[in-house]
Amino acid sequence: QLQLQESGPGLVTSSETLSLTCTVSGGSISSSLWYWGWIRQPPGKGLEWIANIDYSGTTYYNPSLKSRLTISVDTSKNQFSLRLTSVTAADTAVYYCARWAKQWLTFDQWGQGTLVTVSS
Amino acid sequence: SSELTQDPAVSVALGQTVRITCQGDSLRNSYASWHQQKPGQAPVLVIYAKNSRPSGIPDRFSGSSSGDTASLTITGAQAEDEADYYCTSRDSSVNHPVFGTGTKVTVL
Repeated sequence: QLQLQESGPGLVTSSETLSLTCTVSGGSISSSLWYWGWIRQPPGKGLEWIANIDYSGTTYYNPSLKSRLTISVDTSKNQFSLRLTSVTAADTAVYYCARWAKQWLTFDQWGQGTLVTVSS
Repeated sequence: SSELTQDPAVSVALGQTVRITCQGDSLRNSYASWHQQKPGQAPVLVIYAKNSRPSGIPDRFSGSSSGDTASLTITGAQAEDEADYYCTSRDSSVNHPVFGTGTKVTVL
């Protein structure tokens, strides 16, 4: 059974860089069937897609965040990662990693999410 | 536009039927899917490819679409169906996922 687990600091200082890693277990990240993505949800608000990457390193970024974003993949560790620079309080959110099924055009497996708070 | 618009909230009596709609241009040429999210939990996929259910999702959940609008129907709503529901699609012009604004379903 596929599982995704987010890891990283729960508290980031304003203007610094947020870094998160998603570890995939129970399946290989190296498949052309999937993208691997990040989604966030500010407290009390809706879902916002951040970025997707596939095993070969092909990336797609949310245009509103692109200038501050880097997503990367490490197939040897079955992990993918997110870096978001110059964070502000507006970046405080629960961050989810998830699998995007290319055939069905949806996120079909999700991690449990991790709350990242940006403090001043 | 890649926006997907949903009604903010709907309510349904226990055992009755409720339909949630999602409207947006991307739905004209891309599948809609639906996620259920309960408080403090990650979203769970309930409908994909317009009207397919993942294993373990009750058959009271169904989906449909027409033109720029997709719908999720819960037939015989149960107390455990009380949650937020988000539609998802893809903006085919840029190959980006897009989420709906979300609908809070209350079961009375």
